[in-house]
Amino acid sequence: KAGVTQTPRYLIKTRGQQVTLSCSPISGHRSVSWYQQTPGQGLQFLFEYFSETQRNKGNFPGRFSGRQFSNSRSEMNVSTLELGDSALYLCASSKSGSNTGELFFGEGSRLTVL
Amino acid sequence: QKEVEQDPGPLSVPEGAIVSLNCTYSNSAFQYFMWYRQYSRKGPELLMYTYSSGNKEDGRFTAQVDKSSKYISLFIRDSQPSDSATYLCAMQDSSYKLIFGSGTRLLVRP
Repeated sequence: KAGVTQTPRYLIKTRGQQVTLSCSPISGHRSVSWYQQTPGQGLQFLFEYFSETQRNKGNFPGRFSGRQFSNSRSEMNVSTLELGDSALYLCASSKSGSNTGELFFGEGSRLTVL
Repeated sequence: QKEVEQDPGPLSVPEGAIVSLNCTYSNSAFQYFMWYRQYSRKGPELLMYTYSSGNKEDGRFTAQVDKSSKYISLFIRDSQPSDSATYLCAMQDSSYKLIFGSGTRLLVRP
């Protein structure tokens, strides 16, 4: 059974650019969550999608957005990149987003903003 | 003040030692408590989860929750070099988002 797949794994952008990251969840999983991981702040919740609807949102500015497609694949977009957006962006899927906290994480997309 | 506090370490122990990892939290609405393990350059993987107060054991791992003190622990018995990783506690209320601790780096020396 394939795990959560994130692309691209590494990317370098410059300030002001925008970036789109992709996540393919485990087959049959309908919930996709996105997290930002930095050495200083740890793992911070960005948003969660379930059946193409954003069900939860963290405390990030509007430059961070996402969407989920009918096949449960998800994308997140960051516009007008800032140096502080350099981080590992992790996607996690679960069957229903139930309260078991059993998230399956991908290996992440490491974004460097210059 | 962060909702979840976790000592970043690093924590260095000899092989075979008992390891104790801890988190404190401030939100009394948290009902579900998890421990994730993250190896370098990998995503976190779920180790244990517990609901409300009490203990849960799985092999060499024991998770403990004390809701009255807002304190959770993960104990690793007979620690192995392969246990060297970052351990993240996570908590969840009635919504579907997890709040993670900042993680504790553990190094088990052969």
